[in-house]
Amino acid sequence: GESVGLHLPTLSVQEGDNSIINCAYSNSASDYFIWYKQESGKGPQFIIDIRSNMDKRQGQRVTVLLNKTVKHLSLQIAATQPGDSAVYFCADEAGNMLTFGGGTRLMVKP
Amino acid sequence: GAGVSQSPSNKVTEKGKDVELRCDPISGHTALYWYRQSLGQGLEFLIYFQGNSAPDKSGLPSDRFSAERTGGSVSTLTIQRTQQEDSAVYLCASSSDRNQPQHFGDGTRLSIL
Repeated sequence: GESVGLHLPTLSVQEGDNSIINCAYSNSASDYFIWYKQESGKGPQFIIDIRSNMDKRQGQRVTVLLNKTVKHLSLQIAATQPGDSAVYFCADEAGNMLTFGGGTRLMVKP
Repeated sequence: GAGVSQSPSNKVTEKGKDVELRCDPISGHTALYWYRQSLGQGLEFLIYFQGNSAPDKSGLPSDRFSAERTGGSVSTLTIQRTQQEDSAVYLCASSSDRNQPQHFGDGTRLSIL
């Protein structure tokens, strides 16, 4: 992932709407990608992963899309709920190294 | 529990003191990672252990930082002569293999006065 600096970008959505969180990565050798959710005072929690031989993977209410041509990753959350409010990090792995993006704060309005 | 356990959860110490942070990985996980997270930032890689191989220390910011992993399980991260810029949350993660998700503990929040 790429660092986005000190101030986290924030996505504000209405409860029940779909959310899309985007991430760019820079290492063309990365072959494994993960999305994490981090709540205040907690460690990052694994959400979903995808390998470079795929371009889409679905989980429960979440979908990850990978575009290797433009080195872009996105996380889609369906029917966003208040419990989804957190900071979301993408990470890409090349070799044994995971590189984390700077994070996006998702705020869900009831 | 079955997750990654870190202790202490909070540590406040005076500048110049040494601190030790502990990580208990998930049982059976051969890979163990330490990261540092400053307020509002992403995660900064510090060090990586894989089985009995020599650790990858490429992320350690200075020679005041060191880590060891005993018996392929518990790890301790030591910071000597702490400085105020060392204040951060130190996170530990473990995984069963490469291309498998890393599972994180809740971190140690370190505050240097």
